[in-house]
Amino acid sequence: ELKVEQNPLFLSMQEGKNYTIYCNYSTTSDRLYWYRQDPGKSLESLFVLLSNGAVKQEGRLMASLDTKARLSTLHITAAVHDLSATYFCAVDSIGNTGNQFYFGTGTSLTVIP
Amino acid sequence: DAGVTQSPTHLIKTRGQHVTLRCSPISGHKSVSWYQQVLGQGPQFIFQYYEKEERGRGNFPDRFSARQFPNYSSELNVNALLLGDSALYLCASSWGATVTEAFFGQGTRLTVV
Repeated sequence: ELKVEQNPLFLSMQEGKNYTIYCNYSTTSDRLYWYRQDPGKSLESLFVLLSNGAVKQEGRLMASLDTKARLSTLHITAAVHDLSATYFCAVDSIGNTGNQFYFGTGTSLTVIP
Repeated sequence: DAGVTQSPTHLIKTRGQHVTLRCSPISGHKSVSWYQQVLGQGPQFIFQYYEKEERGRGNFPDRFSARQFPNYSSELNVNALLLGDSALYLCASSWGATVTEAFFGQGTRLTVV
């Protein structure tokens, strides 16, 4: 079964600091997704990474994908309180008839003023 | 344009009862997937339906079933509820069976007492 691991699970950081969340997965895949979830809310799509070496940036967040290492990173630059949320990475498994997402356990980020 | 809508938003049921959750995908989307998210964990895949046919099934007991209607809306049914079924149930909508973008609804919070 495809496994997706994130670390750290919990992250408390001060405003203005930089940090990286790591996502490892256990099988070959060229597609990696990052989602944000606020408490009690649904999943908001942040990034879709579709090839080795893909890098995408939106505001203070930047995601990258290394399919050979089966690793994706989500880098946070100069964190602000609004970034406090839980972040999930997901890998999809494409079968003959459809695809399903395998999610990591999530990283709960708290940005402290 | 309406997003993915799920109903009800919250539900409390007693052990042993049956529950039906509903999902309406984004207009034009033909695929609906269901995920279960237990508190503190990442979502887990339950089912995918495309063009009214089951395209994928996760590792869930037979108490879980689903179907998709001609208008592409979907129902998730759970029989003989257990306390462990308490979770946020998320519906994801996409236009095709194998896609790189899925849009999630706000979820149904099911509490089994």
